[in-house]
This record gives sequence, C-alpha cells and structure tokens, in this order.
Amino acid sequence: DIVMTQSPDSLAVSLGERATINCKSSQSVLYSSNNKNYLAWYQQKPGQPPKLLIYWASTRESGVPDRLSGSGSGTDFTLTISSLQAEDVAVYYCQHYYSTPPTFGQGTKLEIK
Amino acid sequence: EVQLVESGGGLVQPGGSLRLSCAASGFTFSSYWMSWVRQAPGKGLEWVANIQQDGDEKYYVDSVKGRFTISRDNAKNSLFLQMNSLRAEDTAVYYCARAHSKGFDYWGQGTLVTVSS
Repeated sequence: DIVMTQSPDSLAVSLGERATINCKSSQSVLYSSNNKNYLAWYQQKPGQPPKLLIYWASTRESGVPDRLSGSGSGTDFTLTISSLQAEDVAVYYCQHYYSTPPTFGQGTKLEIK
Repeated sequence: EVQLVESGGGLVQPGGSLRLSCAASGFTFSSYWMSWVRQAPGKGLEWVANIQQDGDEKYYVDSVKGRFTISRDNAKNSLFLQMNSLRAEDTAVYYCARAHSKGFDYWGQGTLVTVSS
C-alpha cells in the first residue's frame, strides 16, 4: 500500500499570510501513460464531510477560491493557501488514487495565529 | 444537485451486524464507482470499500475483508454496506462517496456506527 505522510501535523498562520502543507507518498503517484499525478486534497471543517479542493495534484475543483493551489509531482506535493482567511480554518488531507487501496495522509490542522 | 444520504448507523454490540445505506440523487448513479470511507472519532479518513458501476468488481481495506460486503442497486440509486462481526475499532462515521477520476468528488453527511457493549 502507498503510505501518505503530511507535514506538519498542525499549523498556525496569521490572517493574510501564506500557509503551506506538504504531502509525501511512499511511491510515485504519477501515471506515465497520461502524465497525471493521482493526488487529491480535501478540506474538512468540524462536523462536516470532507470537501474536494484539488485533483490531479494541481487542478482546482469548481468553486474553490484561487488563493488555494496545489503543486508537486511524483512523490512530493504541496497545498498552498496564499492569503489565509478565517474560513480556511480546517483539517486538510491529501489522498492518492493511483492504486487500490486509495490512502489518505494523517491530516494537517490549520489554525489562525 | 448531487446528493448522497447515508442511513442505518447506530449502536451495536461487538460481534453484531449493521447494514448501512446510501441514497443517491442528482446524477446517473449507474455510471460511477462508489465508495465507503470512514472516520473514527477524532481521527483521520480511511477508505473502506468500493464497487464498480455494475457491481462486478469490489475492493476492501484489509481490516474489513471477510466481514464487510459492499453492494449496490442501480435501479434504486442505492449503495449498501453490510457489516458483520463488528469490532470496537469499527466505531466511526461512515461516509458514502462518489469515486471519480479526480478522487472522491461528492460525500454524504455520514452515519455514525458505535460498537460497544
């Protein structure tokens, strides 16, 4: 199974500042036939289900603010929030869907400093 | 509007059984793989099982193999999870999710399963 490891486990950032969350997979999730990284990012707020933010490592889901962006390839990925807003407080998860089982990172809790 | 609504959760004793249901609407249910994902209290997300569009292919996380069975009824736009031989470690919120080429793009609100004596 592919193991997904996020860092840090928690993060406190001032409003308007940049937040960066990292995700590393134990093996590449880049599918060579289509050059796509099978990596997604989700946001989960308390009492709510996860919400898909980013797929193919860097494609923003419809309706997701452009201050959120994803980058990376192969085994190393990053979710960046360019200017933190109060509504961004949540737990963020990366997940690969390259193979079965699809696995999630342990989550990163993002708070306001 | 895509909607996924889970039901069937509750309190069950260790060794007992429960059947979860997920009612889907707002999309062509028979065109998508569907999944169950769970989240233990205060913990992260764990994929449990998924099922192909016609129900022929099914996959499970190792910890539930032989105990859980995923199924679907495309005529009724419904997804199911039969859970037998339940253990305390199966206690979680169980989410129904639509599996897409971009990950899990729609999720239900979840149903809580508590395994306790």
